[in-house]
Amino acid sequence: EVQLLDSGGGLIQPGGSLRLSCAASGFTFSSYGMNWVRQAPGKGLEWVSAISGDGERTYYADSVKGRFTISRDNSKNTLYLQLNSLRAEDTAEYYCAKEMGRKQPFDYWGQGTLVTVSS
Amino acid sequence: EIVLTQSPATLSLSPGERATLSCRASQSVSSNLAWYQQKPGQAPRLLIYDASNRATGIPARFSGIGSGTDFTLTISSLEPEDFAVYYCQQRSSWWTFGQGTKVEIK
Repeated sequence: EVQLLDSGGGLIQPGGSLRLSCAASGFTFSSYGMNWVRQAPGKGLEWVSAISGDGERTYYADSVKGRFTISRDNSKNTLYLQLNSLRAEDTAEYYCAKEMGRKQPFDYWGQGTLVTVSS
Repeated sequence: EIVLTQSPATLSLSPGERATLSCRASQSVSSNLAWYQQKPGQAPRLLIYDASNRATGIPARFSGIGSGTDFTLTISSLEPEDFAVYYCQQRSSWWTFGQGTKVEIK
């Protein structure tokens, strides 16, 4: 059974940093692209970042480019998102999501981890 | 960036009725469109990919159609568990989502 377990969220001050993790199990992790998607309270879904299965290619939404870094450790079946220079507008539930195949939609999602940026 | 516009924002229907949701892209996305369902407090669930293919385990009452810029998700007969928010997503350029359509009980 495929499982994605998001963690690492919390309350952080503006300008601060946080690292989110997504522990994957039940599939060959290195064979699939992975993504982070966020959802601000009461709002819609916003794609944040993607990484290829081998970790060689990464992609970012303009809203986070230069501040967030996606990475993965295939030996640990874990996806990461490093969040730097956090702003109030980064407050959201952050979900990791697995691609069905290369550039395919997301067939499995984590349960989400809440990041709150506030002083 | 390709913008997806969903309509209506809210759909008020009764169980057993037919739901028709629309997603329009600002430029052609070919058939590279997916639909998701999200219930309160839960992660989204993939319903439809490549415009018309049901994901694993999705009931036959969910169907999708369209190509280019205009897409439709139809729920043929609403079950109580279908009242939720639905999002479309495109992948022709990097991923973007529509703003969502809420299907609520009338």
